[in-house]
Amino acid sequence: KAGVTQTPRYLIKTRGQQVTLSCSPISGHRSVSWYQQTPGQGLQFLFEYFSETQRNKGNFPGRFSGRQFSNSRSEMNVSTLELGDSALYLCASSWDRTYEQYFGPGTRLTVT
Amino acid sequence: GESVGLHLPTLSVQEGDNSIINCAYSNSASDYFIWYKQESGKGPQFIIDIRSNMDKRQGQRVTVLLNKTVKHLSLQIAATQPGDSAVYFCAESNFGNEKLTFGTGTRLTIIP
Repeated sequence: KAGVTQTPRYLIKTRGQQVTLSCSPISGHRSVSWYQQTPGQGLQFLFEYFSETQRNKGNFPGRFSGRQFSNSRSEMNVSTLELGDSALYLCASSWDRTYEQYFGPGTRLTVT
Repeated sequence: GESVGLHLPTLSVQEGDNSIINCAYSNSASDYFIWYKQESGKGPQFIIDIRSNMDKRQGQRVTVLLNKTVKHLSLQIAATQPGDSAVYFCAESNFGNEKLTFGTGTRLTIIP
């Protein structure tokens, strides 16, 4: 069974731009969660989607948004990028509230 | 607020020895705990989990211990191997909530 895939793997953007990251969950998984990982803050929860609905949201500004499609694929968007948005963005999928979340390799975003 | 922390940021262990990684959590309402392993350039990989109605759970070469009285979690790795070198994170959650709150991580280095 294929794992969680994320595209692109690496991205370089400049301040003020916006970016869209993509996540394809494991086949059959309907829940997709997004996390931001930085050396200073560690792994922090962004939001979680299930059946195209956001079920849970972390403490991030409104510049961070996401969505989920009918095939469970998910995208997250960050608008008006700031230097502090440089991070590894991780996507995780699970069947449904079964706790065992499987993570993708992440997208490394660098904002210059 | 919720927080999950680790006692030691780094740990070096001789190959073949057992290792113990500790984690403290502050949210007494948490009822589900997970250990993840993250290797360089990869997303976190699920190792083992435990629910609050248990105090011990064993997997292949790994054991998780939960002490709810002092809100402490530990991961024991038996007969460590070079491939065990990674950063280990504990995470906690509540039943029915996909949001994981991660600890800061412990870097485990296996000395050949």
